[in-house]
Amino acid sequence: KQEVTQIPAALSVPEGENLVLNCSFTDSAIYNLQWFRQDPGKGLTSLLLIQSSQREQTSGRLNASLDKSSGRSTLYIAASQPGDSATYLCAVRSKSNYQLIWGAGTKLIIKP
Amino acid sequence: KAGVTQTPRYLIKTRGQQVTLSCSPISGHRSVSWYQQTPGQGLQFLFEYFSETQRNKGNFPGRFSGRQFSNSRSEMNVSTLELGDSALYLCASSAGQGIDNEQFFGPGTRLTVL
Repeated sequence: KQEVTQIPAALSVPEGENLVLNCSFTDSAIYNLQWFRQDPGKGLTSLLLIQSSQREQTSGRLNASLDKSSGRSTLYIAASQPGDSATYLCAVRSKSNYQLIWGAGTKLIIKP
Repeated sequence: KAGVTQTPRYLIKTRGQQVTLSCSPISGHRSVSWYQQTPGQGLQFLFEYFSETQRNKGNFPGRFSGRQFSNSRSEMNVSTLELGDSALYLCASSAGQGIDNEQFFGPGTRLTVL
C-alpha cells in the first residue's frame, strides 16, 4: 500500500532563506508526483508536476526533484518571502490504483 | 479562463440529513475528481468522473455518491450524514483522462454536520 510522508510537519524560517521540503513515498510504482500549496481556508494550488521519467521541474523560485528509485522528492524554494507561507502538500499518482495518494503536508511560515 | 468553482462554499447540516455539493470544472476540462480533507485523515480520494462515467472510486461507504453531467459539471451526494462527514470537500478538474494530467482545484465546500 502506497504511503506518502512529509517531513517536517512544520517549518519556520526568516525571510530570504533558501529552504527544502521533503516528500517520501513507499512504492516507486508511480506515474507522477505533484506539489501543491494550500492557503488557510482555501483550496489547493498546483505548483509543479513531475512525471516518473523526469528528474526535476522548475517554476520561478521553485524547483522540485524526483528520485523514484529511492522514493523521494524535494521542493526547493529560493529566496523565501512571507507570501510563501502556506501548507505544502505532495501527492503521488499510484500505478496500483491510479489514485492520488497524499502526504499530510508541511506547514511553512516565513517570518518577515 | 475561470477556475474550478464549487457551490456552496459553506454548509451546515444535522445528522441523518443528506447533502449535494456541486462542482463546475475549468472550461474544456472533462475530468472531475472529488476529495475529502479532514484534520485527522488528511486528503482522501473519493471518486473520479470522465465523460459522465465514474472511472475510479476511493474507499468510502456507499453513502457517498456522485455523478457528472454532459457539460462536465459534477455533483456529489452524501446521504444519512454522520458527524465524521464534517470536512472540506474539494473538487479538481483536469483536461483529460490521462494519468499525467495536472489537476486544478476549486476552493472547496466546508461541510459541518451537527
